[in-house]
Amino acid sequence: GESVGLHLPTLSVQEGDNSIINCAYSNSASDYFIWYKQESGKGPQFIIDIRSNMDKRQGQRVTVLLNKTVKHLSLQIAATQPGDSAVYFCAENGDSNYQLIWGAGTKLIIKP
Amino acid sequence: DAGVIQSPRHEVTEMGQEVTLRCKPISGHNSLFWYRQTMMRGLELLIYFNNNVPIDDSGMPEDRFSAKMPNASFSTLKIQPSEPRDSAVYFCASSKDPGNQPQHFGDGTRLSIL
Repeated sequence: GESVGLHLPTLSVQEGDNSIINCAYSNSASDYFIWYKQESGKGPQFIIDIRSNMDKRQGQRVTVLLNKTVKHLSLQIAATQPGDSAVYFCAENGDSNYQLIWGAGTKLIIKP
Repeated sequence: DAGVIQSPRHEVTEMGQEVTLRCKPISGHNSLFWYRQTMMRGLELLIYFNNNVPIDDSGMPEDRFSAKMPNASFSTLKIQPSEPRDSAVYFCASSKDPGNQPQHFGDGTRLSIL
């Protein structure tokens, strides 16, 4: 897998508002997609995943949407809280059964 | 439930020294991954083990890097001799079935080579 870490896109959201983080995935063969949250000084933490036979999946305060036509993945976080501040990565499996292709990451900043 | 456990959390050493990073995967996970993360290159997969056997080590930078998995509950990543450009955060991750289940990450080892 590969990812670029030079310039992280940043999303600033007011506390209590909903956040939408977008990801354009690269491989048409991908059939499994994962969102991770990485807080400062910690490892990537699994948030939610979705398979290509679905277009929406909901968790606790999070929803993942998959649009295979345009190869787009999004993560929606409801009622954003200060603890949601982190870098969010999308990942896809490509045509591998173990190696992930990582997105560049989006830094989510919560404004009080 | 215990997650992936890595040690040490921080390591500072002088170039030329041997560095050993340790990982305990989640019990029952048969796949283990070592990654390196830097600002410039993001997350890079170094090596992948399945059932304790190295399957893909194409990401290992050079012969100075080696990894072992002597049993299902322990893996090491060794750098000998270490160089300043090896400074990074090294993560270990494990999964039950990486093609269909997420990888779970430890909190990493922050390595600084002086």
